[in-house]
Amino acid sequence: QLQLQESGPGRVKPSETLSLTCTVSGASISSGSYYWGWIRQPPGKGLEWIGSIYYSGTTYYNGALKSRVTISVDTSKNQFSLNLNSVTATDTAIYFCARRGLGGNYYNWYFDLWGRGTLVTVSS
Amino acid sequence: QSALTQPASVSGSPGQSITISCTGTSSDVGDYNSVSWYQQHPGKAPKLIISDVSNRPSGVSNRFSGSKSDNTASLTISGLQAEDEADYYCSSYTTSITHVIFGGGTKVTVL
Repeated sequence: QLQLQESGPGRVKPSETLSLTCTVSGASISSGSYYWGWIRQPPGKGLEWIGSIYYSGTTYYNGALKSRVTISVDTSKNQFSLNLNSVTATDTAIYFCARRGLGGNYYNWYFDLWGRGTLVTVSS
Repeated sequence: QSALTQPASVSGSPGQSITISCTGTSSDVGDYNSVSWYQQHPGKAPKLIISDVSNRPSGVSNRFSGSKSDNTASLTISGLQAEDEADYYCSSYTTSITHVIFGGGTKVTVL
């Protein structure tokens, strides 16, 4: 059964870098035509897409966060990672890793598989 | 546009049908058949229930259906059940810098 699992520190200090890893189990991250990415949700608020990556390294980012975000992939470990630098309290959120479903067109963006999410708090 | 517009809450009695709207612009909902819908129960990850406006993934109840007219997409839940009580989010591709945009979410209450 294909599963995604987020891991990383639950607390990050302001101005530092938030780093999370998503481990994919049950299938190879290199198989198929899927993009793998990150979506966050501040406590009690709505969802925000951060970015997604293909196993080859091709990335798409939310332009509003692009200057602070790097998403990378490690196919040998079947993992992909998120780095968000210069964090502030507004980056406090539940961070989900998610798979973009297969779509026939460049505008077909939907997320058909999600991790359980991990809460990251930005606080000194 | 910072987010697609959804009503904050919708309620209905068991067995009834309810509809949740999701309003965008010609940069997202209006020009692309890219609307997806997610159901999120408290403390859980979102679950995809509709993709590409009206496609229902395998295993999702046929009580959920999606449609679109101009800049507004809609999710209809028919035969409302207690288990449908959750938050619902719409999403779409957008030509804005954000690339993918979500709605603010709608809380569905089963009376």
